[in-house]
Amino acid sequence: DIVMTQTPLSLSVTPGQPASISCKSSQSLLHSDGRTYLYWYLQKPGQSPQLLIYEVSKRFSGVPDRFSGSGSGTDFTLKISRVEAEDVGVYYCMQNKQLTTFGGGTKVEIK
Amino acid sequence: EVQLVESGGGLVQPGGSLRLSCAASGFTFSSYWMLWVRQAPGKGLEWVANINQDGSAKYYVDSVKGRFTISRDNAKNSLYLQMNGLRAEDTAVYYCATYIGYWGQGALVTVSS
Repeated sequence: DIVMTQTPLSLSVTPGQPASISCKSSQSLLHSDGRTYLYWYLQKPGQSPQLLIYEVSKRFSGVPDRFSGSGSGTDFTLKISRVEAEDVGVYYCMQNKQLTTFGGGTKVEIK
Repeated sequence: EVQLVESGGGLVQPGGSLRLSCAASGFTFSSYWMLWVRQAPGKGLEWVANINQDGSAKYYVDSVKGRFTISRDNAKNSLYLQMNGLRAEDTAVYYCATYIGYWGQGALVTVSS
């Protein structure tokens, strides 16, 4: 099974400052079809998870452009260029190249 | 508007059974893989099972193999999760979801005597 490891576990960010979350997979997520099946989700308090990024760097409909994803192979990063109060919650990476697995989550709080 | 609405959650004794349903609308249900994801209280997300477009391929996390069965009815735009032999560690909110970004609001399953 592919194991997804996220760091850090938590992040406290001043509004307007950038934030970065890392996600590493135990195997390459590059599929034979040429796509890399790495997603980023945000679960706000009391809500269902919402998709931010799919296939490493593609923003989902309605996601602000302050969110960006990058990476390849086994190393991926989610960046928030300027954190806003509404960005608090737990961020998860997810792969579905081989079955589906989630990272352990990164809790983002506002200072 | 895309909607996924789960139902069928509740309190069940260890060893008991429950069937979760997920009613989909607002998209072409039969065109997409579907999945169930659960979240134990205070914990992270865990993939439970997924199913392909016509139901011919199904996959499960090891901890539920042989106890849970995922299925779908494309004529009814519905996804199901039959859960047998429930254990305390199955207690969680169960989400119905798509890989194209849509999730339901979740159904709480509590396994306790």
